[in-house]
Amino acid sequence: DQQVKQNSPSLSVQEGRISILNCDYTNSMFDYFLWYKKYPAEGPTFLISISSIKDKNEDGRFTVFLNKSAKHLSLHIVPSQPGDSAVYFCAASKTSYDKVIFGPGTSLSVIP
Amino acid sequence: GAGVSQSPSNKVTEKGKDVELRCDPISGHTALYWYRQSLGQGLEFLIYFQGNSAPDKSGLPSDRFSAERTGGSVSTLTIQRTQQEDSAVYLCASSPRQAVETQYFGPGTRLLVL
Repeated sequence: DQQVKQNSPSLSVQEGRISILNCDYTNSMFDYFLWYKKYPAEGPTFLISISSIKDKNEDGRFTVFLNKSAKHLSLHIVPSQPGDSAVYFCAASKTSYDKVIFGPGTSLSVIP
Repeated sequence: GAGVSQSPSNKVTEKGKDVELRCDPISGHTALYWYRQSLGQGLEFLIYFQGNSAPDKSGLPSDRFSAERTGGSVSTLTIQRTQQEDSAVYLCASSPRQAVETQYFGPGTRLLVL
């Protein structure tokens, strides 16, 4: 049973516009959420995180929103740039030091 | 280099053979994770080492899979009697204690079982 879901396998966005990547989770014990970015032939790299005591965390062009009652989070990238084209993984853990469960990823293409 | 390294980068083996995959974490990182990514799938958690605690093996798919971490540093993931469904990219990551957001991933080992 997949505990972290990313229902859109791919997304295309025009350069300069907003990219919104969505993620849903089923385990109510998850309290810490992360987004990772992965380029081909490389390992994922950490992008941004949020703990359940917050509903928003912003870092430059990247903002993560958490709706705990809906068990839903989203990553907003604005403005989107061609270099943002990558696979984005949503991930969750029970604490900030527990094992991390990843979603299947969403492949983002930013079109110049 | 200062990053996580994995070897080999690619491995082709015949069904039924055993394989060993190696991970060298970042020096000083006490947590080490193994994941695998099958074609078209997300990252699947396999096993997690944290310091001297007993490893969390809850993600290992069968008893053909095992992992060791010697001296709190290098880790080896062993797959016995490989099957074609074991074909995947095996990723290792390490992180400082109590800081999952600083998981640093290696480039992975691409395993192909013929």
